[in-house]
Amino acid sequence: KAGVTQTPRYLIKTRGQQVTLSCSPISGHRSVSWYQQTPGQGLQFLFEYFSETQRNKGNFPGRFSGRQFSNSRSEMNVSTLELGDSALYLCASSSSGGDEKLFFGSGTQLSVL
Amino acid sequence: EDQVTQSPEALRLQEGESSSLNCSYTVSGLRGLFWYRQDPGKGPEFLFTLYSAGEEKEKERLKATLTKKESFLHITAPKPEDSATYLCAVLTGGGNKLTFGTGTQLKVEL
Repeated sequence: KAGVTQTPRYLIKTRGQQVTLSCSPISGHRSVSWYQQTPGQGLQFLFEYFSETQRNKGNFPGRFSGRQFSNSRSEMNVSTLELGDSALYLCASSSSGGDEKLFFGSGTQLSVL
Repeated sequence: EDQVTQSPEALRLQEGESSSLNCSYTVSGLRGLFWYRQDPGKGPEFLFTLYSAGEEKEKERLKATLTKKESFLHITAPKPEDSATYLCAVLTGGGNKLTFGTGTQLKVEL
């Protein structure tokens, strides 16, 4: 069974640009969550989608947005990039979104210059 | 606001030298406490979920325990391949919003 797949693996952008990251969950999983990981702040929750609906949202500015498609694949978008957005962005999936373990992808390393 | 604190930040052990990692938490309505392992350049890998005080779970050289205020990850006779960052996270509220601690970076030397 294939794991969580995130693309691209690495991304370099400049300030002011926008970026879209993609996540394909494990087959059959309906919940997809996104996290930002930085050396100083650790892992911080961005948002969660379940059956195409945003179910939870973290404390990030509106420049961060996401969506989920009918096949459970998810994308997150960051507009007007800032230097502080440089981080590892991790996607995680679970089957029902309840008290279950999350399976994480290897992440997209975003560098903003 | 949910808070999770892990200690120590870093730990260096000799192979075979047992130790414990701590995760203390302040939350309202704990639904579950998770332990993950993260290797450099990879996403976190699930280890354990604990749901109620007094619960214990074991996997190979690792044993996780839970009280009402903290959780411990005990590592017995560690090997170099146990070197990684160990993350603790709490699940509260609805859905799948995890609040993570900043992790303990463990290095096991020969």
